[in-house]
Amino acid sequence: ELKVEQNPLFLSMQEGKNYTIYCNYSTTSDRLYWYRQDPGKSLESLFVLLSNGAVKQEGRLMASLDTKARLSTLHITAAVHDLSATYFCAVPISGGYNKLIFGAGTRLAVHP
Amino acid sequence: KAGVTQTPRYLIKTRGQQVTLSCSPISGHRSVSWYQQTPGQGLQFLFEYFSETQRNKGNFPGRFSGRQFSNSRSEMNVSTLELGDSALYLCASSLSGLSGYTFGSGTRLTVV
Repeated sequence: ELKVEQNPLFLSMQEGKNYTIYCNYSTTSDRLYWYRQDPGKSLESLFVLLSNGAVKQEGRLMASLDTKARLSTLHITAAVHDLSATYFCAVPISGGYNKLIFGAGTRLAVHP
Repeated sequence: KAGVTQTPRYLIKTRGQQVTLSCSPISGHRSVSWYQQTPGQGLQFLFEYFSETQRNKGNFPGRFSGRQFSNSRSEMNVSTLELGDSALYLCASSLSGLSGYTFGSGTRLTVV
């Protein structure tokens, strides 16, 4: 059974600092997705990682995928308050017809 | 282009009632998936439809059902509502896993 674990679950950061969120998964997958969720809102797609070694960057966020280690990272550079949200990684079940297994989410709070 | 549209946005129902939620996918997307989000259980897969066929179902009781129409619009139905069914219900549409999944704004269901 596929399990997806994120850590940390809560992260309080100072503005301007860097940090990394980790997403480990338990069975083989060559794809992984990152989403952002603001309180009371839906999921906003951040990154679609489709192969081993994939790296994507958007603004202060950079995501990478290591399929051999079954690990993805979401790196935050020089955090700003607007990045405060909950971040989820999701992995598709192999042969699972678009069934995604989500991590528990990392709640990020960026403060001055 | 139009996104994924879910209606209604909010619902309050009484225990024992039934409810129907609607999801209109992005034009051209034939896959629609449904997820339940609660503070305790996180994001859990309910089911996925493709070309009017349910291809996968999550671990939910039979009170949860769905269908998809020929225009790819999907509905999910929950019968005999329980307090624990209170949740944010999200649907996602996809062209393929390679392009990722776009989520709707969700329907927040409260059972009293």
